[in-house]
Amino acid sequence: DTEVTQTPKHLVMGMTNKKSLKCEQHMGHRAMYWYKQKAKKPPELMFVYSYEKLSINESVPSRFSPECPNSSLLNLHLHALQPEDSALYLCASSQHRRETQYFGPGTRLLVL
Amino acid sequence: QQPVQSPQAVILREGEDAVINCSSSKALYSVHWYRQKHGEAPIFLMILLKGGEQKGHDKISASFNEKKQQSSLYLTASQLSYSGTYFCGTERSGTSYGKLTFGQGTILTVHP
Repeated sequence: DTEVTQTPKHLVMGMTNKKSLKCEQHMGHRAMYWYKQKAKKPPELMFVYSYEKLSINESVPSRFSPECPNSSLLNLHLHALQPEDSALYLCASSQHRRETQYFGPGTRLLVL
Repeated sequence: QQPVQSPQAVILREGEDAVINCSSSKALYSVHWYRQKHGEAPIFLMILLKGGEQKGHDKISASFNEKKQQSSLYLTASQLSYSGTYFCGTERSGTSYGKLTFGQGTILTVHP
């Protein structure tokens, strides 16, 4: 089983809203990732967690706040987003860093 | 630094073969290949590690030339289901464990 689940599938929010994206895996993976993907572009890495600790932050604006409450769960808290933040947000996990990453279906975010 | 994929797009008839290339200017630890269909998550195809190796399963195989920092994905006897955008993701040697940088993608279209 290589399933990564993400909720919600779609999200529309205003620039003053606060919302959260959720990612879950039950494969025992110890590394989890957030990516942002704009239309017709490749995924771009945002954050990497390893053993529930943030190990990579790709200079992401502070309006995006990741959280890893336990080894199975990864959240992305959103606050005061801009319309240009509209994108597909993908979560991925791997057994450890440097190993195969399995992607979830993504959350399609629209910021109005 | 983003790897460079070529070609940008390929159109095939069922049963034809294709090669997609991925090239980096930096020393690589690994190359990961994914296929993504419109509106869906990237699906893992294979991972190649430094040491120069070749892998394959079914009609899809790949090679990694460590000296040239190049990888190629080989699709033989293409099927309609092969249609999608193919991304290579590269991890550089020695830095940022788990950080994948994706190429711009190759759009593959297979016609009956």
